[in-house]
Amino acid sequence: KNQVEQSPQSLIILEGKNCTLQCNYTVSPFSNLRWYKQDTGRGPVSLTIMTFSENTKSNGRYTATLDADTKQSSLHITASQLSDSASYICVVSASNDYKLSFGAGTTVTVRA
Amino acid sequence: DTGVSQDPRHKITKRGQNVTFRCDPISEHNRLYWYRQTLGQGPEFLTYFQNEAQLEKSRLLSDRFSAERPKGSFSTLEIQRTEQGDSAMYLCASTANPGQAYNEQFFGPGTRLTVL
Repeated sequence: KNQVEQSPQSLIILEGKNCTLQCNYTVSPFSNLRWYKQDTGRGPVSLTIMTFSENTKSNGRYTATLDADTKQSSLHITASQLSDSASYICVVSASNDYKLSFGAGTTVTVRA
Repeated sequence: DTGVSQDPRHKITKRGQNVTFRCDPISEHNRLYWYRQTLGQGPEFLTYFQNEAQLEKSRLLSDRFSAERPKGSFSTLEIQRTEQGDSAMYLCASTANPGQAYNEQFFGPGTRLTVL
């Protein structure tokens, strides 16, 4: 069964600090992995997408890494801002399935 | 705004009533998905359309749920005889080129359903 596990479930950080979110998956055969940001009451918005051959991708202060061998990914947020408060969802796509496998998300709260 | 739109954004209804949600995908996106998301969880797949054809329905989609995409553009999701357990965020997403590696799904803002 294709699964995506995220950790931690939630975290609180001070404005300006960095944080790292983790994603482990068992989706196979692997096609791509995305990180989405979902603000409260809104739909998810894509931050990064990585295929098998990509091991890092940045989008502003967001940097995602991918280790396809260990089936792990991380999302690093640098110099956090209050607007980074959101849920971050790891989503993995299998190459033989149109359906996406979603993690439960990590809720990040940035405090002044 | 050329993104995915959903209407209404919020719906409060009494148990037993019928509700209908609408999704307008990005223009010319031929694949459209419906998801349900409960608090603290990721979205769960409900069903998807390739143009006007509904190609798969999840086990989550009981007999009370029906989705249509009559002209291959907008889609509707109807829930009959709503139950309190139907309370959730209903998300719609669309994609243009499902065969490519970067098969990105673009999500709408969602419809928040509350069943009293």
